Amino acid sequence: EPEVTQTPSHQVTQMGQEVILRCVPISNHLYFYWYRQILGQKVEFLVSFYNNEISEKSEIFDDQFSVERPDGSNFTLKIRSTKLEDSAMYFCASILRESSYNEQFFGPGTRLTVL
Amino acid sequence: GDSVTQMEGPVTLSEEAFLTINCTYTATGYPSLFWYVQYPGEGLQLLLKATKADDKGSNKGFEATYRKETTSFHLEKGSVQVSDSAVYFCALSYNFGNEKLTFGTGTRLTIIP
Repeated sequence: EPEVTQTPSHQVTQMGQEVILRCVPISNHLYFYWYRQILGQKVEFLVSFYNNEISEKSEIFDDQFSVERPDGSNFTLKIRSTKLEDSAMYFCASILRESSYNEQFFGPGTRLTVL
Repeated sequence: GDSVTQMEGPVTLSEEAFLTINCTYTATGYPSLFWYVQYPGEGLQLLLKATKADDKGSNKGFEATYRKETTSFHLEKGSVQVSDSAVYFCALSYNFGNEKLTFGTGTRLTIIP
Protein backbone atom coordinates (compact mmCIF):
# COMPACT_ATOMS: atom_id res chain seq x y z
CA GLU A 1 0.00 0.00 0.00
CA PRO A 2 1.41 3.43 -0.89
CA GLU A 3 2.50 5.54 2.04
CA VAL A 4 4.01 8.90 2.85
CA THR A 5 7.55 8.65 4.18
CA GLN A 6 9.57 11.19 6.14
CA THR A 7 13.24 11.47 6.95
CA PRO A 8 14.90 11.70 9.34
CA SER A 9 12.74 10.30 12.10
CA HIS A 10 14.60 12.42 14.66
CA GLN A 11 16.73 15.49 14.05
CA VAL A 12 18.75 17.24 16.72
CA THR A 13 20.21 20.63 15.93
CA GLN A 14 21.73 23.67 17.58
CA MET A 15 19.80 26.91 17.77
CA GLY A 16 20.48 29.09 14.75
CA GLN A 17 21.28 26.18 12.44
CA GLU A 18 19.38 25.39 9.27
CA VAL A 19 17.44 22.14 9.02
CA ILE A 20 15.73 20.46 6.11
CA LEU A 21 12.98 17.97 6.77
CA ARG A 22 12.19 15.62 3.92
CA CYS A 23 8.98 13.99 2.84
CA VAL A 24 8.13 11.69 -0.04
CA PRO A 25 4.39 11.97 -0.71
CA ILE A 26 2.36 9.27 -2.42
CA SER A 27 3.43 9.35 -6.05
CA ASN A 28 0.21 10.44 -7.81
CA HIS A 29 -0.88 12.91 -5.16
CA LEU A 30 -1.16 16.57 -6.06
CA TYR A 31 -1.57 18.52 -2.80
CA PHE A 32 0.97 18.57 -0.02
CA TYR A 33 0.94 19.83 3.54
CA TRP A 34 3.15 20.36 6.54
CA TYR A 35 1.80 20.32 10.08
CA ARG A 36 3.58 20.44 13.39
CA GLN A 37 2.84 19.44 16.95
CA ILE A 38 4.67 20.95 19.87
CA LEU A 39 4.74 18.48 22.75
CA GLY A 40 1.42 18.50 24.58
CA GLN A 41 -0.20 20.94 22.16
CA LYS A 42 -2.42 20.75 19.12
CA VAL A 43 -1.38 19.60 15.68
CA GLU A 44 -1.11 22.88 13.76
CA PHE A 45 -1.29 23.57 10.06
CA LEU A 46 1.82 25.20 8.62
CA VAL A 47 1.50 25.29 4.85
CA SER A 48 -0.19 23.76 1.83
CA PHE A 49 1.45 23.39 -1.57
CA TYR A 50 0.01 22.75 -5.00
CA ASN A 51 1.31 23.10 -8.52
CA ASN A 52 4.73 24.13 -7.29
CA GLU A 53 3.56 27.01 -5.18
CA ILE A 54 2.23 27.72 -1.71
CA SER A 55 -1.58 27.80 -1.69
CA GLU A 56 -1.99 28.76 1.95
CA LYS A 57 0.21 29.31 4.96
CA SER A 58 -0.45 29.91 8.63
CA GLU A 59 0.87 32.67 10.87
CA ILE A 60 3.50 30.24 12.13
CA PHE A 61 4.99 29.91 8.65
CA ASP A 62 7.13 33.06 8.70
CA ASP A 63 10.18 34.00 6.66
CA GLN A 64 12.28 31.42 8.49
CA PHE A 65 10.31 28.65 6.79
CA SER A 66 10.28 27.58 3.17
CA VAL A 67 9.01 24.62 1.20
CA GLU A 68 9.86 23.19 -2.14
CA ARG A 69 9.38 20.17 -4.32
CA PRO A 70 12.79 20.03 -5.96
CA ASP A 71 12.55 16.89 -8.05
CA GLY A 72 8.91 15.82 -8.42
CA SER A 73 9.10 13.29 -5.61
CA ASN A 74 10.53 14.95 -2.49
CA PHE A 75 8.70 17.68 -0.62
CA THR A 76 10.91 19.54 1.82
CA LEU A 77 10.46 21.94 4.70
CA LYS A 78 13.42 24.16 5.48
CA ILE A 79 13.85 26.14 8.65
CA ARG A 80 16.58 28.68 7.99
CA SER A 81 17.63 29.57 11.54
CA THR A 82 16.10 27.31 14.14
CA LYS A 83 14.80 28.56 17.46
CA LEU A 84 14.18 26.62 20.65
CA GLU A 85 10.44 26.97 20.07
CA ASP A 86 10.72 25.15 16.75
CA SER A 87 11.19 21.90 18.68
CA ALA A 88 8.20 19.81 17.66
CA MET A 89 7.00 16.83 15.68
CA TYR A 90 6.60 17.77 12.02
CA PHE A 91 4.12 15.85 9.88
CA CYS A 92 3.89 15.81 6.10
CA ALA A 93 0.63 14.90 4.36
CA SER A 94 -0.64 14.53 0.81
CA ILE A 95 -3.94 14.10 -1.00
CA LEU A 96 -4.96 13.24 -4.52
CA ARG A 97 -7.89 15.68 -4.69
CA GLU A 98 -10.06 14.13 -7.37
CA SER A 99 -13.35 15.08 -5.78
CA SER A 100 -14.67 17.48 -3.22
CA TYR A 101 -12.99 15.56 -0.44
CA ASN A 102 -10.01 13.28 -0.36
CA GLU A 103 -8.39 11.73 2.69
CA GLN A 104 -5.12 13.26 3.74
CA PHE A 105 -2.39 10.64 4.09
CA PHE A 106 0.17 11.42 6.76
CA GLY A 107 3.76 10.43 7.22
CA PRO A 108 5.11 9.15 10.55
CA GLY A 109 6.63 12.50 11.41
CA THR A 110 10.06 13.94 12.14
CA ARG A 111 10.84 14.89 15.70
CA LEU A 112 12.93 18.06 15.67
CA THR A 113 14.86 18.95 18.82
CA VAL A 114 16.54 22.35 18.95
CA LEU A 115 19.17 22.74 21.66
CA GLY B 1 -11.39 31.23 13.78
CA ASP B 2 -12.18 27.54 13.76
CA SER B 3 -11.09 25.36 16.66
CA VAL B 4 -11.46 21.85 18.06
CA THR B 5 -11.49 20.91 21.73
CA GLN B 6 -10.92 17.36 22.94
CA MET B 7 -11.19 15.84 26.35
CA GLU B 8 -7.96 15.81 28.28
CA GLY B 9 -5.99 12.60 28.42
CA PRO B 10 -4.54 10.22 29.07
CA VAL B 11 -7.41 7.78 29.26
CA THR B 12 -6.84 4.30 30.64
CA LEU B 13 -9.48 1.61 30.33
CA SER B 14 -9.74 -2.12 30.83
CA GLU B 15 -10.26 -4.36 27.84
CA GLU B 16 -13.93 -4.63 26.79
CA ALA B 17 -14.84 -1.35 28.49
CA PHE B 18 -16.97 1.28 26.78
CA LEU B 19 -15.08 4.22 25.34
CA THR B 20 -16.12 7.82 24.87
CA ILE B 21 -13.72 10.56 23.84
CA ASN B 22 -15.40 13.94 23.73
CA CYS B 23 -14.84 16.42 20.93
CA THR B 24 -16.49 19.78 20.37
CA TYR B 25 -15.80 22.33 17.70
CA THR B 26 -16.21 25.98 16.82
CA ALA B 27 -16.58 26.75 13.15
CA THR B 28 -17.57 29.69 11.01
CA GLY B 29 -19.04 27.51 8.27
CA TYR B 30 -20.15 23.93 7.79
CA PRO B 31 -17.09 21.73 8.09
CA SER B 32 -16.51 18.04 7.70
CA LEU B 33 -15.43 16.32 10.92
CA PHE B 34 -12.85 13.62 11.38
CA TRP B 35 -11.21 11.32 13.85
CA TYR B 36 -7.60 10.42 13.17
CA VAL B 37 -5.62 7.79 15.07
CA GLN B 38 -1.89 7.54 15.59
CA TYR B 39 -0.44 4.20 16.61
CA PRO B 40 3.05 4.19 18.17
CA GLY B 41 5.73 5.00 15.63
CA GLU B 42 3.26 5.62 12.81
CA GLY B 43 1.64 8.58 11.07
CA LEU B 44 -1.86 9.87 11.54
CA GLN B 45 -4.48 7.63 9.93
CA LEU B 46 -8.05 8.56 9.15
CA LEU B 47 -10.34 6.54 11.42
CA LEU B 48 -13.72 7.91 10.39
CA LYS B 49 -15.39 11.02 9.06
CA ALA B 50 -18.76 12.73 8.71
CA THR B 51 -19.39 15.43 6.14
CA LYS B 52 -22.71 16.92 7.26
CA ALA B 53 -24.99 17.26 10.27
CA ASP B 54 -26.50 14.03 11.62
CA ASP B 55 -24.09 11.88 9.59
CA LYS B 56 -22.56 9.01 11.51
CA GLY B 57 -19.04 7.91 10.70
CA SER B 58 -17.99 4.41 11.62
CA ASN B 59 -14.97 2.16 11.24
CA LYS B 60 -13.40 -0.72 13.17
CA GLY B 61 -16.19 -0.62 15.75
CA PHE B 62 -15.75 3.10 16.41
CA GLU B 63 -18.58 5.54 15.78
CA ALA B 64 -19.11 9.28 15.92
CA THR B 65 -22.17 11.35 15.03
CA TYR B 66 -21.97 14.90 13.70
CA ARG B 67 -24.20 16.91 16.09
CA LYS B 68 -24.66 20.42 14.80
CA GLU B 69 -26.94 21.48 17.69
CA THR B 70 -24.25 20.67 20.27
CA THR B 71 -21.28 21.24 17.91
CA SER B 72 -19.93 17.85 18.92
CA PHE B 73 -18.41 14.75 17.36
CA HIS B 74 -17.78 12.37 20.23
CA LEU B 75 -15.95 9.12 19.51
CA GLU B 76 -17.41 5.92 20.94
CA LYS B 77 -16.67 2.23 20.94
CA GLY B 78 -18.66 -0.40 22.75
CA SER B 79 -15.84 -2.77 23.68
CA VAL B 80 -12.23 -1.67 23.42
CA GLN B 81 -9.27 -3.94 22.79
CA VAL B 82 -5.61 -3.66 23.72
CA SER B 83 -4.88 -2.98 20.05
CA ASP B 84 -6.94 0.25 20.27
CA SER B 85 -4.22 1.82 22.40
CA ALA B 86 -3.16 4.92 20.46
CA VAL B 87 -3.53 8.68 20.32
CA TYR B 88 -6.84 9.91 18.88
CA PHE B 89 -7.23 13.29 17.20
CA CYS B 90 -10.47 15.07 16.39
CA ALA B 91 -10.27 17.45 13.42
CA LEU B 92 -12.29 19.54 11.00
CA SER B 93 -11.85 20.85 7.51
CA TYR B 94 -13.89 22.26 4.69
CA ASN B 95 -14.63 20.26 1.58
CA PHE B 96 -13.68 23.00 -0.80
CA GLY B 97 -10.48 24.97 -0.89
CA ASN B 98 -7.21 23.51 0.21
CA GLU B 99 -8.80 21.33 2.90
CA LYS B 100 -6.29 22.04 5.65
CA LEU B 101 -7.16 20.21 8.86
CA THR B 102 -7.73 21.94 12.18
CA PHE B 103 -6.92 19.48 14.97
CA GLY B 104 -7.61 19.06 18.64
CA THR B 105 -4.78 18.30 21.06
CA GLY B 106 -5.18 14.52 20.86
CA THR B 107 -6.19 12.03 23.54
CA ARG B 108 -3.87 9.20 24.48
CA LEU B 109 -5.80 5.99 25.09
CA THR B 110 -4.28 3.01 26.87
CA ILE B 111 -6.17 -0.26 27.16
CA ILE B 112 -5.01 -2.71 29.80
CA PRO B 113 -5.74 -6.44 29.57
